[in-house]
Amino acid sequence: GNSVTQMEGPVTLSEEAFLTINCTYTATGYPSLFWYVQYPGEGLQLLLKATKADDKGSNKGFEATYRKETTSFHLEKGSVQVSDSAVYFCALSGNGGAQKLVFGQGTRLTINP
Amino acid sequence: DTGVSQDPRHKITKRGQNVTFRCDPISEHNRLYWYRQTLGQGPEFLTYFQNEAQLEKSRLLSDRFSAERPKGSFSTLEIQRTEQGDSAMYLCASSYILADYQETQYFGPGTRLLVL
Repeated sequence: GNSVTQMEGPVTLSEEAFLTINCTYTATGYPSLFWYVQYPGEGLQLLLKATKADDKGSNKGFEATYRKETTSFHLEKGSVQVSDSAVYFCALSGNGGAQKLVFGQGTRLTINP
Repeated sequence: DTGVSQDPRHKITKRGQNVTFRCDPISEHNRLYWYRQTLGQGPEFLTYFQNEAQLEKSRLLSDRFSAERPKGSFSTLEIQRTEQGDSAMYLCASSYILADYQETQYFGPGTRLLVL
């Protein structure tokens, strides 16, 4: 079945550091890939997505590129802020029919000033 | 657009009691999903509706769980005879899909259940 493996956390960085959170997936067919973020006390928010190979999703300075050859969708940001502290989830869904999301276990990110 | 709402936000109950959660999706979204998230884990799919039809249920959804979406708008998730293992965050998400186009799911804030 489909699965997502994320870099284990927690991850602690200083403000303005470069961020990478690794995500690899196993899926049949051509899944869509997502990054969701969960701020303390809040629900999941869509951060970015990519629906086909070589697509780059971007939002709020975060980027991730759909790499079919390495089955990866790593999240990057060039300069993190304290406000980026949250839990980040990588997820995939099939296309067509039931598009239920399959999530990784989440990576907790803490940014220190 | 008011977003997906869930009620209650928190529920504490004693083992063996029944509980019911409600989800109000974004207006005109035709799909509604339920997920369960335990501490330190990512959400896991439970079930989903397209309009009022429940089209898929996960093996995680035991006979004690039932979900409805009677008019294709709000949905309820009921857990009968709760067990301590049911303690989790229950998340609802909605989306709009046309034919087989790719959809984006929008999540509510969740209902956190604690079974004592």
